[in-house]
Amino acid sequence: QQQVKQSPQSLIVQKGGISIINCAYENTAFDYFPWYQQFPGKGPALLIAIRPDVSEKKEGRFTISFNKSAKQFSLHIMDSQPGDSATYFCAASMGGNTGKLIFGQGTTLQVKP
Amino acid sequence: GAVVSQHPSRVICKSGTSVKIECRSLDFQATTMFWYRQFPKQSLMLMATSNEGSKATYEQGVEKDKFLINHASLTLSTLTVTSAHPEDSSFYICSAPGASGYTFGSGTRLTVV
Repeated sequence: QQQVKQSPQSLIVQKGGISIINCAYENTAFDYFPWYQQFPGKGPALLIAIRPDVSEKKEGRFTISFNKSAKQFSLHIMDSQPGDSATYFCAASMGGNTGKLIFGQGTTLQVKP
Repeated sequence: GAVVSQHPSRVICKSGTSVKIECRSLDFQATTMFWYRQFPKQSLMLMATSNEGSKATYEQGVEKDKFLINHASLTLSTLTVTSAHPEDSSFYICSAPGASGYTFGSGTRLTVV
């Protein structure tokens, strides 16, 4: 029940396209859902996060869509760029943005020029 | 914004020796520090949670005598890998919760030869 399932494992998108990564969870007590971007040899960096009382949040080219009834959330990267090529992790926690994070399995995104 | 400084970034040690990894919160007080381990192309796995002034909480399956955690001040948490073996080779990352979410260190690549 503590798992967060992420798909796809890898994704190849053409420059300018839309990258979509999906996550699903079971525990309805989760109340904070962040997405992280990680480059090789670096720690994860927060991209965008959402709470379950909101169905969508947009920051620049990044959008989170949240479906509370389906217990799913997704990351959309609009106008994908080669510099977006990285590994993306969804996560979930209880206790807001200070509780223990449970990470998804990760998605390796490659944006082709 | 909040910064967590992690050192060293890379370390190579001989089998049987101990290695200390430091994480410092530079511009905020971190009463809690999460320690993660990440194998190549895999997700972050929480190892333990350190709390300033008290004993760390270890996740199931993590040997507390092997991975010693100390959180002696509000700005410093350390992870010591004792009697390291090649199977301990991994990427170790710390993270501290703050007002705007979690801040991750840049990670430590440990190679045990």
